[in-house]
Amino acid sequence: RKEVEQDPGPFNVPEGATVAFNCTYSNSASQSFFWYRQDCRKEPKLLMSVYSSGNEDGRFTAQLNRASQYISLLIRDSKLSDSATYLCVVTRRGDDKIIFGKGTRLHILP
Amino acid sequence: EAQVTQNPRYLITVTGKKLTVTCSQNMNHEYMSWYRQDPGLGLRQIYYSMNVEVTDKGDVPEGYKVSRKEKRNFPLILESPSPNQTSLYFCASSSLYRGGYTFGSGTRLTVV
Repeated sequence: RKEVEQDPGPFNVPEGATVAFNCTYSNSASQSFFWYRQDCRKEPKLLMSVYSSGNEDGRFTAQLNRASQYISLLIRDSKLSDSATYLCVVTRRGDDKIIFGKGTRLHILP
Repeated sequence: EAQVTQNPRYLITVTGKKLTVTCSQNMNHEYMSWYRQDPGLGLRQIYYSMNVEVTDKGDVPEGYKVSRKEKRNFPLILESPSPNQTSLYFCASSSLYRGGYTFGSGTRLTVV
């Protein structure tokens, strides 16, 4: 089983809709969690960190469920500019290794 | 401006001709890493460094070398490039105490 797994998509969503996707991780010793956004042929950019209490940044909400070992990203009122690949990132306790998921592709449709 | 600078952005080379991709960060980050990204395979770590003179292999180190003589620089060396090293390469850095990577803009390498 891969250490970090994401549904590759693509998710095709009409503009203005709410979309959510999850990322599961297999190592219960994982300690830090992030969502990154990557546009085509560009570098990944940090979107937000994910905390146990959940956190919100404008239209974006991230949550962590340690019991079920997944993190989620919710995007409200989606914009055309939200079209990108979203990467789930997990840091492993002990060796601090940073593990990337393969990403979920999101297409916002006009 | 806080950033990770990679050079060159694009490079076409021939099999066997040694090349170096440079990476420099101005954030005083301890942790630096190199990744390659290929369609369907996601980001795969080549090498990483926790600090000066400390480097370790990632998941796909074969055919690559790195060095960390100074905190800000982490060059990637391909001693004898082969076509299977054609890829998009990213350098990234992070503070060990805060987490979260900052990535360079990428180097698109083609080996013919």
